[in-house]
Amino acid sequence: AQSVTQPDIHITVSEGASLELRCNYSYGATPYLFWYVQSPGQGLQLLLKYFSGDTLVQGIKGFEAEFKRSQSSFNLRKPSVHWSDAAEYFCAVGPTNAGKSTFGDGTTLTVKP
Amino acid sequence: DAGVIQSPRHEVTEMGQEVTLRCKPISGHDYLFWYRQTMMRGLELLIYFNNNVPIDDSGMPEDRFSAKMPNASFSTLKIQPSEPRDSAVYFCASRDLTLTQYFGPGTRLTVL
Repeated sequence: AQSVTQPDIHITVSEGASLELRCNYSYGATPYLFWYVQSPGQGLQLLLKYFSGDTLVQGIKGFEAEFKRSQSSFNLRKPSVHWSDAAEYFCAVGPTNAGKSTFGDGTTLTVKP
Repeated sequence: DAGVIQSPRHEVTEMGQEVTLRCKPISGHDYLFWYRQTMMRGLELLIYFNNNVPIDDSGMPEDRFSAKMPNASFSTLKIQPSEPRDSAVYFCASRDLTLTQYFGPGTRLTVL
């Protein structure tokens, strides 16, 4: 069975500081991994995804994520956070052959001025 | 493309009433998902369709919930009768061949 764990429910960083959001997954094969962002009052939007190849993937809004198979992790990073990055971030794995993906519980990011 | 369209954006109803939420997926997407999001339970997958056929409805909380997809461009989620604990934001998402899900803006349902 596939699963996703986001260990941090809430993270606060200062504007301009670096950011790393953690994601650990369980999956039976080579995983398809995603990060989505949800701004207040909106639906989820894809930030980036990993299927294969280069383990460091670049996404929108200056985000990147690194796939580490040995650690079953797919952590999201940004070198310098902007106030507009305040949102909830979801890691997801899948889909299975039946078409279903699994989302983590999300990490809420607060950005201090 | 206009993206995934959901209507209504807000719905306030009284307990016991029927509620119908609507979704128009992005043209050409073969999967459609219905999610529910609350503070207490987070994001929950309710049901999903492939080529208009329901694949897995194990997330539907009770028989009061039903979903249909009569054609590739329209889906509904119905709650009958509604209860206060159904209050949540309901999202529809469609998925393309790159496996990316595109979420609608959601319907905020309040059951009084």
